[in-house]
Order: sequence, then structure tokens, then C-alpha cells
Amino acid sequence: DVKVTQSSRYLVKRTGEKVFLECVQDMDHENMFWYRQDPGLGLRLIYFSYDVKMKEKGDIPEGYSVSREKKERFSLILESASTNQTSMYLCASSLVGRGSYNEQFFGPGTRLTVL
Amino acid sequence: EDQVTQSPEALRLQEGESSSLNCSYTVSGLRGLFWYRQDPGKGPEFLFTLYSAGEEKEKERLKATLTKKESFLHITAPKPEDSATYLCAVQAPAGGTSYGKLTFGQGTILTVHP
Repeated sequence: DVKVTQSSRYLVKRTGEKVFLECVQDMDHENMFWYRQDPGLGLRLIYFSYDVKMKEKGDIPEGYSVSREKKERFSLILESASTNQTSMYLCASSLVGRGSYNEQFFGPGTRLTVL
Repeated sequence: EDQVTQSPEALRLQEGESSSLNCSYTVSGLRGLFWYRQDPGKGPEFLFTLYSAGEEKEKERLKATLTKKESFLHITAPKPEDSATYLCAVQAPAGGTSYGKLTFGQGTILTVHP
């Protein structure tokens, strides 16, 4: 079974703090994704990465950055947390090519509250 | 721009009362349509991938079907444990900045009463 783990289930931070969210997958997937999920807005893509050290902006990258130094690990960074970044953050990973149609497998999520 | 619309927003059923959830989509060249189940406070759990019109897939009480414009998730004789949010997503062709990206619908919240 694919396993995607996220470093924290719940996190509370102060406005202005630098926040790191970590995601690790154990299935050698090339693609990794960060989403945020908010009531009424659904899942929105923040950033994704299709290879080590490669990244692409998603639909809402403002206020976020990412890092992928190793294939299995994808980090989301909030440089200066703000209250409007309070949300559920979801990491996902998928294969590419080899006949796969890229099902994404999700981690359990991190509920971030910025005070 | 790819768009996915799910209906209804919420659905309440009695145990054993079969029904269907709808996912309408517009996408340039559908590469895949995905169904996920999400329980409160958890990440989405993958259910099905459908690749072409006419395709059907089943898992326990769930059956997903696909046409050129929409997909249905049929729930037969549901049980309270089927209560969850069901998400639909479409995938654009790979390449460029759309590599592997999914566009999600808003979801249907299903509640099954005993």
C-alpha cells in the first residue's frame, strides 16, 4: 500500500512565524503535491513537484514556498504565517508514466491554525 | 480552464435507500476521472479511476460510471458507514505546467441514517 505521511496532524502558530510542513511518501513516486482545503472552496493546489529539486506553482502559490531535496520528501514553507493561511493542508503523491493515469494518494492532513 | 461540478452538495439517505451522485466536467482531453472518499478530518481516500466513456468500476456498494460529459457514483443499499464526502476530480493531459494535476469538484456530503 502507498503510504503518505505528514509531520503533524495539528499545528498552532503565531502570525509572522515561519512554518514548515513535511510530507514523506514511501512508494518512490515522482510527483508530489501540496493542497489546502477550505469549506466552500474545496481542494486547491498550492505547489507540485515532478522531480527532485523541480517545482511548479499551482493555483494559489502566494505566501508559500516548497522544497524537494530528496525524492521521498516534499516540504511546504509558510515564510511568514498569516491568519488567512489557517486551513487543512494535504500532501499527495503519484506515479508518472509507465501506463499509470496518475492516481494521487493523500496523506492524513495537517490542520494548521494561525493565531 | 478545466471545471468540475458536483451535485447535490449534500444528500441524506435512509439505510438501504439507493441513490446516485453526479460529477459534471469540462476538460480539454480527459486523461482520467477520479473518485475519492473523504472522512471528516482525514485525507481523501482513492476509490476509482475511469479513463473512457462507457467504462464502469465497482467496489462493494459503489459503482462509478463515465460518459463524455459526466460521471455518476451509484450507491446501492447504503449503510451508515458509507457516510462521507465524495470528491470527483479530472486530470488534464500531462506535459508542461499541467503535469499530473487534478482539478477537484466541491464534493457531495453523503449522510446515511440507520
